[in-house]
Amino acid sequence: GQQLNQSPQSMFIQEGEDVSMNCTSSSIFNTWLWYKQDPGEGPVLLIALYKAGELTSNGRLTAQFGITRKDSFLNISASIPSDVGIYFCAGPRVNAGNMLTFGGGTRLMVKP
Amino acid sequence: GAVVSQHPSRVICKSGTSVKIECRSLDFQATTMFWYRQFPKQSLMLMATSNEGSKATYEQGVEKDKFLINHASLTLSTLTVTSAHPEDSSFYICSARRDRGLRTGELFFGEGSRLTVL
Repeated sequence: GQQLNQSPQSMFIQEGEDVSMNCTSSSIFNTWLWYKQDPGEGPVLLIALYKAGELTSNGRLTAQFGITRKDSFLNISASIPSDVGIYFCAGPRVNAGNMLTFGGGTRLMVKP
Repeated sequence: GAVVSQHPSRVICKSGTSVKIECRSLDFQATTMFWYRQFPKQSLMLMATSNEGSKATYEQGVEKDKFLINHASLTLSTLTVTSAHPEDSSFYICSARRDRGLRTGELFFGEGSRLTVL
């Protein structure tokens, strides 16, 4: 089936550093979504990508939809303590009513 | 922006009782809503797709008689955990997809409901 492989699984960085995480799949996705989940909360949509090659920014966050449509990355620049959380990539399953498939998540920890 | 509200956020119940969790789309209509379960330090696992006016579609391995889903209106879906047991303790999250608009592929999530069964 369509699976998303997300890496790294976790990151522990110093405040101010840049962060990069990515998702890959053996299948093509037509949409890539990036969510952040704070502890005890539901995921919040950060960035949505709809076109291959698309590069989109949201404040200090930048995400790109890979040309092959099989990968996407999310960058966070100049990290701050409130960036702590779990970041998930997700994509609608093809021919499955847009049900989302989620990556395994990247747990980000920021040291002040 | 699109808002999905989930209630209750936390619930503790005794083994054998039933618990109902509500999911509401506050500013948009959602014919389709999704229910997820999340174990600690793991990703979201889709349990079922809730369809307004029809039966829910359950993922493989999810007991439909255990997790009752009712999507009574275009803005409300409920998940009832029947005869709850300690192994049902988990974080349950709903999501809704906007019926109309340019970005109908995006899903918006509720705040989640943490169920603890004693």
